Amino acid sequence: GAVVSQHPSWVICKSGTSVKIECRSLDFQATTMFWYRQFPKQSLMLMATSNEGSKATYEQGVEKDKFLINHASLTLSTLTVTSAHPEDSSFYICSARGRGGETQYFGPGTRLLVL
Amino acid sequence: QKEVEQDPGPLSVPEGAIVSLNCTYSNSAFQYFMWYRQYSRKGPELLMYTYSSGNKEDGRFTAQVDKSSKYISLFIRDSQPSDSATYLCAFLMFSGGYNKLIFGAGTRLAVHP
Repeated sequence: GAVVSQHPSWVICKSGTSVKIECRSLDFQATTMFWYRQFPKQSLMLMATSNEGSKATYEQGVEKDKFLINHASLTLSTLTVTSAHPEDSSFYICSARGRGGETQYFGPGTRLLVL
Repeated sequence: QKEVEQDPGPLSVPEGAIVSLNCTYSNSAFQYFMWYRQYSRKGPELLMYTYSSGNKEDGRFTAQVDKSSKYISLFIRDSQPSDSATYLCAFLMFSGGYNKLIFGAGTRLAVHP
């Protein structure tokens, strides 16, 4: 299957700082990328959907000013958690879908711990 | 009523057992039915997907969909310790011009030797 990478794989930061997570599709062009958050022993919750070159569409309850998403190219999307707080500590997973496809390929996830 | 219901388990079985994992759903707009496997601290990996009622087999895995009952299952034959993971059912719908994937809570499976 297609390969999606994320960087970093885990990050620890102080409360109030901003953290940027990168998601890359390595062997296909991702016209749409999705960002999910997963708390321990819970399922994946969709945060936002982004199409290349367009503004992201955020799910209800997700603060767009706190979780900045940029999908500047067909192989790269970034999620920036601004002014992170301990309650933002979670497992963030991106997924990518190519043009005309139904299948989403998931990245390995980024574990964020905010102290 | 939740859109997707999935028993979180945990489900513990001996090696070689047949495992049955199930989800029910309420949204008739779901068009694709998927099963993902997620190992601890990893992203989900797509196992199988289908869009019609009936069975679809891939090796030791069989996905079953019953649209009339809004019920999907994943069967694992000859289960192995390496099958120990969380299994997530997922449903794809087309909404507002884009696809949206709705996940179940996941069932944790442990296969012991």
